[in-house]
Amino acid sequence: ETGVTQTPRHLVMGMTNKKSLKCEQHLGHNAMYWYKQSAKKPLELMFVYSLEERVENNSVPSRFSPECPNSSHLFLHLHTLQPEDSALYLCASSPKYMGSYNEQFFGPGTRLTVL
Amino acid sequence: GQQVMQIPQYQHVQEGEDFTTYCNSSTTLSNIQWYKQRPGGHPVFLIQLVKSGEVKKQKRLTFQFGEAKKNSSLHITATQTTDVGTYFCAGVGGSNYKLTFGKGTLLTVNP
Repeated sequence: ETGVTQTPRHLVMGMTNKKSLKCEQHLGHNAMYWYKQSAKKPLELMFVYSLEERVENNSVPSRFSPECPNSSHLFLHLHTLQPEDSALYLCASSPKYMGSYNEQFFGPGTRLTVL
Repeated sequence: GQQVMQIPQYQHVQEGEDFTTYCNSSTTLSNIQWYKQRPGGHPVFLIQLVKSGEVKKQKRLTFQFGEAKKNSSLHITATQTTDVGTYFCAGVGGSNYKLTFGKGTLLTVNP
């Protein structure tokens, strides 16, 4: 519906596991984003890629590692996570990174539970 | 850094009543966006306001951008149960034109 897809939709992992979240946008946008949404905090911007180049890294722990192989795909690699990392992880894209063309088109999110 | 504050945090209304959420920025904004997130869903872009004093309408929803471009509001007339969800504002401003989200207002509607 939104042109942004995310897989998996739900993920349960132990603290020693390594997993990856995938996002794909079919809108021809130049910018892609990772957000974390948890019950206790508002939408937290994690990473931003513009034209496949990382332009923002908002003090995110190194156990989260993003990858943007091309302008349509975005990954979030996870390893040795903590229970407090359990949240809804949202991917978004926008026509441009800055200015008046950065309205966010969100994917459905991945609900992550860390045991 | 830029901060975007949104009030109220929660609002419960009876169906048919009006609802308003307010957004205030610590800095002048170049534009402001509004999003709606249904329970269990993801944020969906509603509208963007760019001009000082701008007012836009979408059916029962009225969006306003303040004259000083530091505040905005979303007003819903005669709420319906389908209006339930969290409404977020997001401001674009500052020297780097970054997008900053407010914490959102959760609207619940009693039928």
